[in-house]
Amino acid sequence: KQEVTQIPAALSVPEGENLVLNCSFTDSAIYNLQWFRQDPGKGLTSLLLIQSSQREQTSGRLNASLDKSSGRSTLYIAASQPGDSATYLCAGRGSEKLVFGKGTKLTVNP
Amino acid sequence: GAVVSQHPSWVICKSGTSVKIECRSLDFQATTMFWYRQFPKQSLMLMATSNEGSKATYEQGVEKDKFLINHASLTLSTLTVTSAHPEDSSFYICSARDPSRGPYNEQFFGPGTRLTVL
Repeated sequence: KQEVTQIPAALSVPEGENLVLNCSFTDSAIYNLQWFRQDPGKGLTSLLLIQSSQREQTSGRLNASLDKSSGRSTLYIAASQPGDSATYLCAGRGSEKLVFGKGTKLTVNP
Repeated sequence: GAVVSQHPSWVICKSGTSVKIECRSLDFQATTMFWYRQFPKQSLMLMATSNEGSKATYEQGVEKDKFLINHASLTLSTLTVTSAHPEDSSFYICSARDPSRGPYNEQFFGPGTRLTVL
């Protein structure tokens, strides 16, 4: 059974700092791994999706990596801004199902 | 992009009543839709997988008679919470998959429905 863990549960940084969010999964037989952003009381916004054959994906200030052998993925946010404050969820997909971590709540202080 | 909508965005109801939540794919046909539940400060938990024209597949521990799912068309799935109780209060999110993007493409998520049962 796939389990996804995210560390840390919460993170507070000053504006402009580069940061890394961590995600680990127990079953390396995943088809892809996806990072989402969730604002309070809102749904999910997909940020990046990495297929199992890929090592990383980039979008703007975001870079996500995937290491299936170690069961880890990271989300790198460059030059953080207060608008980046949200909860970030990672989810691993095996067959049809997405298994989510509990998320990392990020606060970027001006 | 692929857009998924949910209606209503929030609902408050009395204990014992039934509530229906709609999930629509607006610009694509979704053969498969998924229903998730999220409790405060918790992650999303898959409740059931809904396939158009067939019965939904429920996850272990989810009561199929309490959470009725209907996926009657390629653009609409509904979740009905029957005889709702306060412990059913949660954030319900649906997602839909676009089969034209391959068998292992991403799911597109709706904005969620906040259910509060008094």
